[in-house]
Amino acid sequence: EVQLVESGGGLVQPGGSLRLSCAASGFSFSEFWMTWVRQAPGRGLEWLATIKQDGTEKFYLDSVRGRFTISRDNAKDSLYLQMNTLGAEDTAFYYCVRDWGSRDTFWGQGTLVTVSS
Amino acid sequence: QSVLTQPPSVSAAPGQRVTISCSGSSSNIGKKYVSWYQQVPGTAPKLLIYDNYKRPSGIPDRFSGSKSGTSATLDITGLQTGDEADYYCGAWDDRLNAGVFGGGTRLTVL
Repeated sequence: EVQLVESGGGLVQPGGSLRLSCAASGFSFSEFWMTWVRQAPGRGLEWLATIKQDGTEKFYLDSVRGRFTISRDNAKDSLYLQMNTLGAEDTAFYYCVRDWGSRDTFWGQGTLVTVSS
Repeated sequence: QSVLTQPPSVSAAPGQRVTISCSGSSSNIGKKYVSWYQQVPGTAPKLLIYDNYKRPSGIPDRFSGSKSGTSATLDITGLQTGDEADYYCGAWDDRLNAGVFGGGTRLTVL
């Protein structure tokens, strides 16, 4: 069974940092592009970043480039999102997505990040 | 303001048909595949359509997608109360070098 389990969310103060993880199982993680998507409470979906199978190509939403870093460890079947200089506008559910936009698209259940003092 | 434009809401009676539009530009829908997602409130999104019109296994043929020029459409026939959800279109944007979504459409089955 394919599973994507996000973790690392929680309450963080403005200006703080957080590292999200996504543990993959049930498929060959190293064969797929991986993506982070977020959704602020009551708002729509927002694509954040995508990483190639071997990590050599990365793409970012302009508003998070330089603050967020996507990475992966294929030996650990894990995807990461390092988030720095967080602001209230970063409060959202963060979803890990396998091969976004293809027939193999699969979404994790998400982890909530709350930025507040 | 989303790069792809969807109507905020649509509604129809059970058994009826509804169409959800998704308007983009030459840098996204005009040259890239469109995908559609269903999100029941409180749950993660789920893939409905990929490559403009293809359905993943398990998605009933009541759901269909199409694309023409810089616009895409999701059609849902034989509406059921279980179809009440938010629907999002998505595509890659070559100019932004980023993924983009529509703002989402809330479907109400009256």
